[in-house]
Amino acid sequence: GAVVSQHPSWVICKSGTSVKIECRSLDFQATTMFWYRQFPKQSLMLMATSNEGSKATYEQGVEKDKFLINHASLTLSTLTVTSAHPEDSSFYICSARFSQGRSYEQYFGPGTRLTVT
Amino acid sequence: AQSVTQPDIHITVSEGASLELRCNYSYGATPYLFWYVQSPGQGLQLLLKYFSGDTLVQGIKGFEAEFKRSQSSFNLRKPSVHWSDAAEYFCAVGDGNKLVFGAGTILRVKS
Repeated sequence: GAVVSQHPSWVICKSGTSVKIECRSLDFQATTMFWYRQFPKQSLMLMATSNEGSKATYEQGVEKDKFLINHASLTLSTLTVTSAHPEDSSFYICSARFSQGRSYEQYFGPGTRLTVT
Repeated sequence: AQSVTQPDIHITVSEGASLELRCNYSYGATPYLFWYVQSPGQGLQLLLKYFSGDTLVQGIKGFEAEFKRSQSSFNLRKPSVHWSDAAEYFCAVGDGNKLVFGAGTILRVKS
C-alpha cells in the first residue's frame, strides 16, 4: 500500500509553454500532498504544500503564479509550470500524506523530469 | 529552524563490508526522523523512521538506525552491504507536517 504515481515521468517543452504534472495517491486518501524540486546532485527542496479543497501554501521564494497547484480531490494534486523557461528544468517530486492515521509519514512519487528547451 | 546535516557527500565501501551513514539534525523538540533511499532518476523510498520509543529502529533491506538525542544524531547502519545498495541516501527531519532533507550521501559499492 501507500503508492503514489506521477504523470508524466518525463517531459520536454519549449520555452514559454505550460506543463502540467499530476500526482496521484493510488491506494489511499491524501488530504495533503507536497511538491518538491530537486536539482542535479542536490537535495529535495519543498516548493509547496497542497491541501485538498484549499489554496496551496508556498515556501518562501517560490513564485505562486508560476507554479500553479491544484488539489482537486483526495487522490489528485497537479502542478502546472506556467510560461516555462530553461531554468525551470528540474526533477519534480510529489509526496502524499495519509488523511487519517500515520499522518506524519510521506510517500513519494517516482518524479517527473522536466526539460525546457 | 529545522536543519539536517549529512557530512559525507560520497562514501565507497566494499561489498560485504559494514556501512554507517551519518546524520545530524537541529530541531527544538523531539523530531520525527527518516531515512530515504533514491536510485538514479527515481523517487524516494522510505527505509525507516523514528518517532518515539526504542531508539534503535529497524527498517527494510537490512538497514537500522539509532537515535541519539545527546548527539542530535540519527545514523544509518547496515552490517553487510550488497551491490544493490548503491544509491543516494537522504536523512530527513519532520515536525509531523513538513520534511527537511539533508544534502544526501551517495553510496558506491565496490566489488
